[in-house]
Amino acid sequence: DAKTTQPNSMESNEEEPVHLPCNHSTISGTDYIHWYRQLPSQGPEYVIHGLTSNVNNRMASLAIAEDRKSSTLILHRATLRDAAVYYCITQGGSEKLVFGKGTKLTVNP
Amino acid sequence: DGGITQSPKYLFRKEGQNVTLSCEQNLNHDAMYWYRQDPGQGLRLIYYSQIVNDFQKGDIAEGYSVSREKKESFPLTVTSAQKNPTAFYLCASREAGAMDADTQYFGPGTRLTVL
Repeated sequence: DAKTTQPNSMESNEEEPVHLPCNHSTISGTDYIHWYRQLPSQGPEYVIHGLTSNVNNRMASLAIAEDRKSSTLILHRATLRDAAVYYCITQGGSEKLVFGKGTKLTVNP
Repeated sequence: DGGITQSPKYLFRKEGQNVTLSCEQNLNHDAMYWYRQDPGQGLRLIYYSQIVNDFQKGDIAEGYSVSREKKESFPLTVTSAQKNPTAFYLCASREAGAMDADTQYFGPGTRLTVL
């Protein structure tokens, strides 16, 4: 079973920031937090990952709570191409990434 | 360009036939994975391989078989024993030992429909 909890769906307007929340209250101290996204009829795409500190890359930012029990993926300016299902995954030494149902993000023009 | 290719994109088969899905990567990654995705659901792990000539069952291996004779190839056979094979199949790979070792790179998927 997935070890994270995400809202089933969220909506945003184009050009506005989007904050996608994820709860992972049972995360262990060595587990990384990964975010992937999946556009319709495509394979998932890596977005960002982090351990303790906030992370930024060209796609998004990842804000990790101090107690690491939750995190937020931030898309600074949503575009129509950001409409996808976003998966939040925690992973330790195991080979497996456990994908839940994710959050379906709708971006309105 | 480096990446993962899966072919074909769409595949139709009659019930009772075995079918093999192709997955090739030129990323020089050691580990490869097969996932299944049903409509509105997350991904479920079928098989994975960390090295050539070795592979392990995932969470839903029954009715599937794999081989890993070459580093770049990890074909999946959906056998007639798989009771509900219609699904979207995704292949992924990962570079073992890199700083981003846990990052998996996915192919475009094969949508299998059994008639």
